[in-house]
Amino acid sequence: NAGVTQTPKFRVLKTGQSMTLLCAQDMNHEYMYWYRQDPGMGLRLIHYSVGEGTTAKGEVPDGYNVSRLKKQNFLLGLESAAPSQTSVYFCASSAPGPERNYGYTFGSGTRLTVV
Amino acid sequence: AQSVTQLDSHVSVSEGTPVLLRCNYSSSYSPSLFWYVQHPNKGLQLLLKYTSAATLVKGINGFEAEFKKSETSFHLTKPSAHMSDAAEYFCVVSDPGRDDKIIFGKGTRLHILP
Repeated sequence: NAGVTQTPKFRVLKTGQSMTLLCAQDMNHEYMYWYRQDPGMGLRLIHYSVGEGTTAKGEVPDGYNVSRLKKQNFLLGLESAAPSQTSVYFCASSAPGPERNYGYTFGSGTRLTVV
Repeated sequence: AQSVTQLDSHVSVSEGTPVLLRCNYSSSYSPSLFWYVQHPNKGLQLLLKYTSAATLVKGINGFEAEFKKSETSFHLTKPSAHMSDAAEYFCVVSDPGRDDKIIFGKGTRLHILP
């Protein structure tokens, strides 16, 4: 099925460990986004990309890095995990121009726990 | 800057009664507005969208929303609640800048009472 795929779906990390979350989309979308979801906070934008090789900071970028080496993939990295990064992470993609009015396509999420 | 406020963090209704989830937005431009739904331990699904066409927007599963510019509101309604509607609902406003960002409200959790 076409859409956005996130891996892994669940992960437990120890404080100080590093990991990479992978987001892959097969809709040829230009724009991709990483959000985190915390209770009572809605979704907050971490980083985003408007095309291959480009990245930009969102609302809550600290402690995260991203890369968009291929158009279909958007990686989110945690270099040194902290308990405050315990959250559910969502990736999304969209197409620019009039198509963006169809809304974003979201992945199913990655539940990360940092102990 | 764009922002969106969901006026209720929790709403409880009885099965078969109407649903009203309230959303107010702030925007310097003509916004695009969306409602997304998230069922427990699931991803986000687009319910409906407003993009400057008809002000009354019909979505999936019997939901609809009305864009009222004078009130800066985009409330979500459904005539008759079903148990399967229990979920969290997010009102979302688009940022018209070139990066196509969208801004989420904090969410309203809808509880359906039997």
